[in-house]
Amino acid sequence: EPEVTQTPSHQVTQMGQEVILRCVPISNHLYFYWYRQILGQKVEFLVSFYNNEISEKSEIFDDQFSVERPDGSNFTLKIRSTKLEDSAMYFCASSDPGWGQRHDYEQYFGPGTRLTVT
Amino acid sequence: DAKTTQPPSMDCAEGRAANLPCNHSTISGNEYVYWYRQIHSQGPQYIIHGLKNNETNEMASLIITEDRKSSTLILPHATLRDTAVYYCIVRAPNTNAGKSTFGDGTTLTVKP
Repeated sequence: EPEVTQTPSHQVTQMGQEVILRCVPISNHLYFYWYRQILGQKVEFLVSFYNNEISEKSEIFDDQFSVERPDGSNFTLKIRSTKLEDSAMYFCASSDPGWGQRHDYEQYFGPGTRLTVT
Repeated sequence: DAKTTQPPSMDCAEGRAANLPCNHSTISGNEYVYWYRQIHSQGPQYIIHGLKNNETNEMASLIITEDRKSSTLILPHATLRDTAVYYCIVRAPNTNAGKSTFGDGTTLTVKP
C-alpha cells in the first residue's frame, strides 16, 4: 500500500540554524500539507500546497517557513532560523488523486520528523 | 470548518465494540465527517469518512445521524492495538484547501 515517507525521523539542530524537512507524498496525489504537533498539544495545520503554490497557510507559518516541491516526488519544509519553540513533530500529508468526480479525499499522513532545537 | 465535540477519554474491554461519539451540530451541507487516530506520537492514521450515509470498511463503521449533527465511530472488536487518540474532523473537501482542524480527540484505552 502506498504511503507518505518523511526524512529524517529525528533532527537535532541549534537555535538559529536552518533545517529542511523532507517528505515524499503518495505519488499520484495532488494536495500536500505540513502539520506540526508540539509535545502534549494538538496537531496544528501549517500549510497546504497545490499546483506548485501555497493554497493556504496558518498564522504559525510566518516568513521563517517555506515549502517547495523541487521535483516530481519531494515536498520540503524549510525553517530558516530555528527557535526553541519550533521543537515539535512535523507531519507531512497528501491527498486527492484527482480521480473521477469524488471530492472527499482523505489525507494520508507520514510518520513525522521530530525536530529538537537546542 | 464546523467545530466538533468529543469526550476526552473512554475505556473499552478487549474484544468488545468501542463506540466513540462525536457531536458536530453546526455541520454544513457540504462538509464530510472524517475520523483519524493517532497512536503514541505517530502520524494520524485515516480510519473512515462519510457525508450522510453510514459507512463501513475493514477498520470500522461510521454511523451518522439523519440530521447529521452527530456521528459514532464503531470499532467492532477492539484490540489492545486500538488504544489511541481518536479524532473526529469535519471539513468540506474542496474548501480551505482541504486542511484538517484537529481538536483534542478522545483517548480510547482498550483494557485486557
